[in-house]
Amino acid sequence: EAGVTQFPSHSVIEKGQTVTLRCDPISGHDNLYWYRRVMGKEIKFLLHFVKESKQDESGMPNNRFLAERTGGTYSTLKVQPAELEDSGVYFCASSQDSRVLTDTQYFGPGTRLTVL
Amino acid sequence: AQSVTQLDSQVPVFEEAPVELRCNYSSSVSVYLFWYVQYPNQGLQLLLKYLSGSTLVKGINGFEAEFNKSQTSFHLRKPSVHISDTAEYFCAVSKAAGNKLTFGGGTRVLVKP
Repeated sequence: EAGVTQFPSHSVIEKGQTVTLRCDPISGHDNLYWYRRVMGKEIKFLLHFVKESKQDESGMPNNRFLAERTGGTYSTLKVQPAELEDSGVYFCASSQDSRVLTDTQYFGPGTRLTVL
Repeated sequence: AQSVTQLDSQVPVFEEAPVELRCNYSSSVSVYLFWYVQYPNQGLQLLLKYLSGSTLVKGINGFEAEFNKSQTSFHLRKPSVHISDTAEYFCAVSKAAGNKLTFGGGTRVLVKP
């Protein structure tokens, strides 16, 4: 079974440009999470989808970030326009059923974003 | 709000020696506790988790952790490390199933031959 996949693995863009990150969760997983790790800091939660609905978007830093999960399958995270402080590694995770106590989040390898 | 502190940012250790990675948390509610590992160029992988019950939790690859409620700690241990254990380790908490994870800053373990 394929794990969580993320594309691209690396992205280098200039300040002011737009970047779209993609996450494909494990097949059948209703829950999809985005996290971010800025250089030297801890991994921080961005948002949580249950199917196509945003369950919790309390971690989204500002309105330059837009996350979508049309059809409840893959998700995209768009940053427009990108700023220098957006550089970091963006992780996606998925889980099967967040109502179950033993539900586990499985992480993808991350997308390393560098804004110059 | 919850927070997680990993007291050591880097831990060098010789092969076959024991290792302990420290994790302390603060929370106004009961939490669930996790340790994840990130090997080079890979995603985070769950090592173990504490949900309830026995405070000693055994995970994959010979790791174990002990939940101490009075000290609000969840330290990770392995009695004998291998070169392949070189990785970054993250302690995390959540306040409910399916809830967002709050991570510590990570501890880089470098196993030397």
